[in-house]
Amino acid sequence: NAGVTQTPKFQVLKTGQSMTLQCAQDMNHNSMYWYRQDPGMGLRLIYYSASEGTTDKGEVPNGYNVSRLNKREFSLRLESAAPSQTSVYFCASSEGHDYGYTFGSGTRLTVV
Amino acid sequence: GEDVEQSLFLSVREGDSSVINCTYTDSSSTYLYWYKQEPGAGLQLLTYIFSNMDMKQDQRLTVLLNKKDKHLSLRIADTQTGDSAIYFCAFTTSGTYKYIFGTGTRLKVLA
Repeated sequence: NAGVTQTPKFQVLKTGQSMTLQCAQDMNHNSMYWYRQDPGMGLRLIYYSASEGTTDKGEVPNGYNVSRLNKREFSLRLESAAPSQTSVYFCASSEGHDYGYTFGSGTRLTVV
Repeated sequence: GEDVEQSLFLSVREGDSSVINCTYTDSSSTYLYWYKQEPGAGLQLLTYIFSNMDMKQDQRLTVLLNKKDKHLSLRIADTQTGDSAIYFCAFTTSGTYKYIFGTGTRLKVLA
């Protein structure tokens, strides 16, 4: 089925460990996004990529890096995980910023 | 600022109508959206309204927009247990890629 695929679905990290969250879409969308969802705070934009080859910071970029590997894939990297990064991470894609988003099913990350 | 506020919880009986409200501060929104999130899943686009419209109806869903009061609402007619989820309003601001989400309203439908 067409959509946005995120891996892994669950992850537990120790403080200071690094990891990369993977995201791929097969809808030929230009724009891709990484959000985190925390209770009572809605979704907050971490980074986005308006088109292949470009990335920009969102609302809460500190502690994260991203790579737009090609049009399909947009990865999020935590270089040194901290407990404050415990969250549910969502990747999304869209044809452009005035279009609705298609979301992946999320990665639940716990940093201990 | 670009704040979006929603009430946290709403409980209704099956068959009744649900109204989920959202207020926002930014006045340059081009589109305003409603998303639904079921447990353990990502957000799913439900419907949207263009900022120059007052109302949009889509089957059981009615979106109302009051631009003067910066108030957006989602009405679900004949609410079913399958409508139990968290509902987020969201909007974009013209000229940027910033997409603002509300805090979400958890709808619980009682049988």
